Amino acid sequence: GAVVSQHPSWVICKSGTSVKIECRSLDFQATTMFWYRQFPKQSLMLMATSNEGSKATYEQGVEKDKFLINHASLTLSTLTVTSAHPEDSSFYICSARGRQGAYEQYFGPGTRLTVT
Amino acid sequence: AQSVAQPEDQVNVAEGNPLTVKCTYSVSGNPYLFWYVQYPNRGLQFLLKYITGDNLVKGSYGFEAEFNKSQTSFHLKKPSALVSDSALYFCAVRGVNTGGFKTIFGAGTRLFVKA
Repeated sequence: GAVVSQHPSWVICKSGTSVKIECRSLDFQATTMFWYRQFPKQSLMLMATSNEGSKATYEQGVEKDKFLINHASLTLSTLTVTSAHPEDSSFYICSARGRQGAYEQYFGPGTRLTVT
Repeated sequence: AQSVAQPEDQVNVAEGNPLTVKCTYSVSGNPYLFWYVQYPNRGLQFLLKYITGDNLVKGSYGFEAEFNKSQTSFHLKKPSALVSDSALYFCAVRGVNTGGFKTIFGAGTRLFVKA
């Protein structure tokens, strides 16, 4: 149980284009989803927290107009990187926390974004 | 503000030997503590958590961790390391009495288990 999927697992896009990453909780309802960014050999940096049906809460320094987060249902959240630049290249990981077992988070496998 | 420290960037252990990955935390109020493991190019996998109760917590793959309130530590341990345990380990903390439900992750400790 508690499986989180992400799609795509990797994506290459050209500078200036937008990329959408999907995060789904497959066997539980995720009241809260988190989006992280991880640089090579570094820890996870929390970008934003979203609750189903409400606007995401962004961490300081994260541009909300650049990283659009939508948590439309209890099983789906999307992160759209708009007007991507090479510095946006990174490993993006989503995480979900459900009503039951609301302590630990369950992580998706991550999406490797490369902007050329 | 809450924080997590993993003082070792890397831990090297011979297969069959016991391993310890250290973690200390700072949080106001009672903490929720977690350990996660990450394999290359993958997301994090939950290993174990301390919420309340027994200070010694047992988790997946034979790992355990001991909550020590006086030392504000939550070290990860395993009696006998396997080569397959080689991975990146993250300690995380969430304050119970703080506003919001943000979990803070440590910088990670890379574990190398040599055959």
